[in-house]
Amino acid sequence: QKEVEQDPGPLSVPEGAIVSLNCTYSNSAFQYFMWYRQYSRKGPELLMYTYSSGNKEDGRFTAQVDKSSKYISLFIRDSQPSDSATYLCAMTASNFNKFYFGSGTKLNVKP
Amino acid sequence: NAGVTQTPKFQVLKTGQSMTLQCAQDMNHEYMSWYRQDPGMGLRLIHYSVGAGITDQGEVPNGYNVSRSTTEDFPLRLLSAAPSQTSVYFCASSPGTTSAAQYFGPGTRLLVL
Repeated sequence: QKEVEQDPGPLSVPEGAIVSLNCTYSNSAFQYFMWYRQYSRKGPELLMYTYSSGNKEDGRFTAQVDKSSKYISLFIRDSQPSDSATYLCAMTASNFNKFYFGSGTKLNVKP
Repeated sequence: NAGVTQTPKFQVLKTGQSMTLQCAQDMNHEYMSWYRQDPGMGLRLIHYSVGAGITDQGEVPNGYNVSRSTTEDFPLRLLSAAPSQTSVYFCASSPGTTSAAQYFGPGTRLLVL
């Protein structure tokens, strides 16, 4: 069983839609949760960073962590064509030594 | 401030050849990591380092060597390239114990024939 599971998509939505991206994990030691955005043929860039359970909002992006269910989500409001990319979830324990990534969800926002 | 840089951008090797992928960061980050990215597999950790002189294996270390003689540089060596090592390789750095935020380089595309 993989440490982190993520639906690969692709996910296609119209411009302005609310997008929900999700990951599940199995290791209860994970404390820090990240979302990365990766455009085609580019390196991943950090989008959201959260610690433990709860919500974090940054502009049109909201990250949610539910440690009791081992489930994390990223919501994108008012999605734009420029949001079209692959979104990777990542997580690590408190020592920050090893990071575990989901396989990524490819998102396409149609104008 | 260049962030994380990687060279080369693209490389073609023949089976059995060796090469070194270079990675450097100018953010004075303690932690550095190497990942490979294959279709449908996400990012898989090859090796990581928590400081100069300290390295450890990740999820897929076989066929790769690393060393960390300075804080800035973290080269990845392929000892005897195999077609299974065809992939995109990313280097990342993070501050260490103060933050889990990782910053990635632009990647090296490697094709092994």
